[in-house]
Amino acid sequence: AQTVTQSQPEMSVQEAETVTLSCTYDTSESNYYLFWYKQPPSRQMILVIRQEAYKQQNATENRFSVNFQKAAKSFSLKISDSQLGDTAMYFCAFMKHAHDMRFGAGTRLTVKP
Amino acid sequence: GAVVSQHPSWVICKSGTSVKIECRSLDFQATTMFWYRQFPKQSLMLMATSNEGSKATYEQGVEKDKFLINHASLTLSTLTVTSAHPEDSSFYICSARDRSIDSNQPQHFGDGTRLSIL
Repeated sequence: AQTVTQSQPEMSVQEAETVTLSCTYDTSESNYYLFWYKQPPSRQMILVIRQEAYKQQNATENRFSVNFQKAAKSFSLKISDSQLGDTAMYFCAFMKHAHDMRFGAGTRLTVKP
Repeated sequence: GAVVSQHPSWVICKSGTSVKIECRSLDFQATTMFWYRQFPKQSLMLMATSNEGSKATYEQGVEKDKFLINHASLTLSTLTVTSAHPEDSSFYICSARDRSIDSNQPQHFGDGTRLSIL
């Protein structure tokens, strides 16, 4: 079974600063996909970024980027120029080829003015 | 973009009653839908995978007779919590996979249902 570990229950960052959220996973699969989701207080699940395991290049979406280290099974999220609206729970998720998603425990991020 | 509608968004009912939650894909067809449960300040835990026209696949520890899932069409899956008790109070979220695109694309999530059993 695949497991996803987020070791930081809570993080905080000053507005406009950069923060990195960590995620590690365990799998014997070679073909899989990784995601970061944001869940604000409204509890909507918002896709932030995704990474295909077969791609070596790290994914980037505007202020959000990942550091994907396949050998280390690490998938961290970097948020640059943090904004107050980034305050939310962030979940790392793993998906085996054409299967369901498995989520980490989440990191509560607070952006301070 | 792809929209998944979940209804109701919030329901309060008495212990012992059954509650049905609907998950609809509004602008796409979904062969597969997923049901998650999220307790306060915890992660999403997969309960079951709902497949159109066939029986749902339940995760270990999830009672299939307690959480009835029906996926009778390509746009609708329902979760019925039978004889609900206070410990069933939780946030239930569904997601759906668009059958017309690569199955490795992210699932589309509904906005969730807050279930409170008194």
